[in-house]
Amino acid sequence: SQELEQSPQSLIVQEGKNLTINCTSSKTLYGLYWYKQKYGEGLIFLMMLQKGGEEKSHEKITAKLDEKKQQSSLHITASQPSHAGIYLCGADNVWNQFYFGTGTSLTVIP
Amino acid sequence: GAVVSQHPSWVICKSGTSVKIECRSLDFQATTMFWYRQFPKQSLMLMATSNEGSKATYEQGVEKDKFLINHASLTLSTLTVTSAHPEDSSFYICSARQQGTYGYTFGSGTRLTVV
Repeated sequence: SQELEQSPQSLIVQEGKNLTINCTSSKTLYGLYWYKQKYGEGLIFLMMLQKGGEEKSHEKITAKLDEKKQQSSLHITASQPSHAGIYLCGADNVWNQFYFGTGTSLTVIP
Repeated sequence: GAVVSQHPSWVICKSGTSVKIECRSLDFQATTMFWYRQFPKQSLMLMATSNEGSKATYEQGVEKDKFLINHASLTLSTLTVTSAHPEDSSFYICSARQQGTYGYTFGSGTRLTVV
């Protein structure tokens, strides 16, 4: 199986603060996905990264994949209460099975 | 774009009964579908990989006799929770991979409560 470790496990920040979530793989990543979710609800696709060193941004969220393609980070600038939720990284393995990371629960205090 | 419909979105059942959850790819053919389970404040855990026309591949620790998966067509996979117990209460979500493409489409999930 693909081991995807996320850190931190949970995060509580004051509104307006920046934050970073990390996703580390035990194997080389061929495609790394970031999703946002609230428990009991569907997934919201954020971004997908494929190339080493790739960086993508959407609104206040930036995701990066390192050159070795084993670590990705998700950075939120000037966090808002609407950013609260569970952030999940995900990747597929050589057998085309898709696994999620351990998850990061984000709380933004107004 | 690719759409996966999951039904029902929520279900409450009595302990000991069985519950079936459907996952349909609406506008594409999916040779492979995946089933995940999520407990509160935890990540989504892959339960099994469902291949059309063959037996599902279960992840370690998942009881295949309890979680029956059927993938009878290229657009439908079902997960049946047999003899459900309160500890089976969870959020279940499916995903499908479109044949010949790269990328996964997720259903909206099913919240199961066993009372």
